[in-house]
Amino acid sequence: DGGITQSPKYLFRKEGQNVTLSCEQNLNHDAMYWYRQDPGQGLRLIYYSQIVNDFQKGDIAEGYSVSREKKESFPLTVTSAQKNPTAFYLCASRSYAEAFFGQGTRLTVV
Amino acid sequence: AQSVTQLDSQVPVFEEAPVELRCNYSSSVSVYLFWYVQYPNQGLQLLLKYLSGSTLVESINGFEAEFNKSQTSFHLRKPSVHISDTAEYFCAVSVLDFGNEKLTFGTGTRLTIIP
Repeated sequence: DGGITQSPKYLFRKEGQNVTLSCEQNLNHDAMYWYRQDPGQGLRLIYYSQIVNDFQKGDIAEGYSVSREKKESFPLTVTSAQKNPTAFYLCASRSYAEAFFGQGTRLTVV
Repeated sequence: AQSVTQLDSQVPVFEEAPVELRCNYSSSVSVYLFWYVQYPNQGLQLLLKYLSGSTLVESINGFEAEFNKSQTSFHLRKPSVHISDTAEYFCAVSVLDFGNEKLTFGTGTRLTIIP
């Protein structure tokens, strides 16, 4: 089945540690996105990529980094510079007319 | 830059009553418009979309939305809601600008159906 896979579903991180969230798609889409979701704030764009080896900062990129070495993969690293990383993270890929979302990763800082 | 405003953060509605979820957008160029639905602890699913053509678009589960260019709105409606419609609904906009694939979401509206 075609789709987007995010892993892990739940992730716990100690303060000061970097952590990487995985996002893989087999839909052959060029565009991929990372969003952060907090209660009452909707989805805020962290980074997006329109093609392999290229990506752009979204509205809240500080404290995050990404790579796009393969069309299928768009991992997100939450660095220690992100002061409030506890949130629900959603990855999406997009065809011309529709964005498809993964099931999300809930990151908690302990 | 484009933006989306969903004025209602929560909408309680009695079962079988009609509902309207409001969405307004801002953009200096032509846009694509979307409504997505999210159930608890899940990703988003596309409900319906406006790309071009007829300004009234419909989903398979009874929702419809109308693109109003003059009012820059894309309100979501359903004539009779069901308990299973309880979810969070997000409006989104994307500009028709090759090379700029940014997809911007509103803050969401939580729809609660009262039995």
